[in-house]
Amino acid sequence: QKEVEQDPGPLSVPEGAIVSLNCTYSNSAFQYFMWYRQYSRKGPELLMYTYSSGNKEDGRFTAQVDKSSKYISLFIRDSQPSDSATYLCAMSAGGNQFYFGTGTSLTVIP
Amino acid sequence: DSGVTQTPKHLITATGQRVTLRCSPRSGDLSVYWYQQSLDQGLQFLIQYYNGEERAKGNILERFSAQQFPDLHSELNLSSLELGDSALYFCASSVVARSDTQYFGPGTRLTVL
Repeated sequence: QKEVEQDPGPLSVPEGAIVSLNCTYSNSAFQYFMWYRQYSRKGPELLMYTYSSGNKEDGRFTAQVDKSSKYISLFIRDSQPSDSATYLCAMSAGGNQFYFGTGTSLTVIP
Repeated sequence: DSGVTQTPKHLITATGQRVTLRCSPRSGDLSVYWYQQSLDQGLQFLIQYYNGEERAKGNILERFSAQQFPDLHSELNLSSLELGDSALYFCASSVVARSDTQYFGPGTRLTVL
């Protein structure tokens, strides 16, 4: 079993839709949860960072962590064509090693 | 632009060959991480250096090695290349040794023919 599971999609939504991206994990020691956005032929870019459980909001983006279910989500409100990218979840137990999901490909159609 | 630079952008080589990938971290960052990204495996952590010293090892093959120099740039050496080594190789950097915020470079696309 992989440490982190992420549905690869692809996900295609109309402009303005609410997008929900999810990851599950198996290691209960994970405390730090990140979402990265990766445009085609570019490096991943840190989007959201959350410590432990709870919600965090930044503009149109909301990250949720449910440690009891080992489940994290990223919500994108009022999605824009510029949000079209691959979204990677990542997590860490606080050490040096990050564990990444395989990424979900999102396309927002104008 | 994250401030992390990687060269070259693309590399095409043959099986059995050896290549070196180079990374310069963001100004002020002491820690460098190397990752391999392939379609089926996603982003895999290879190795981390902090201020010239190896700090953590992930799924790095024995044919691969890395080092960080006094000016903090890092090189990833890949030898006896196989077709399966074709992937994107990313470098990331952070200020401290144990960081939950890493900044990624644009990557080097390696194609082994």
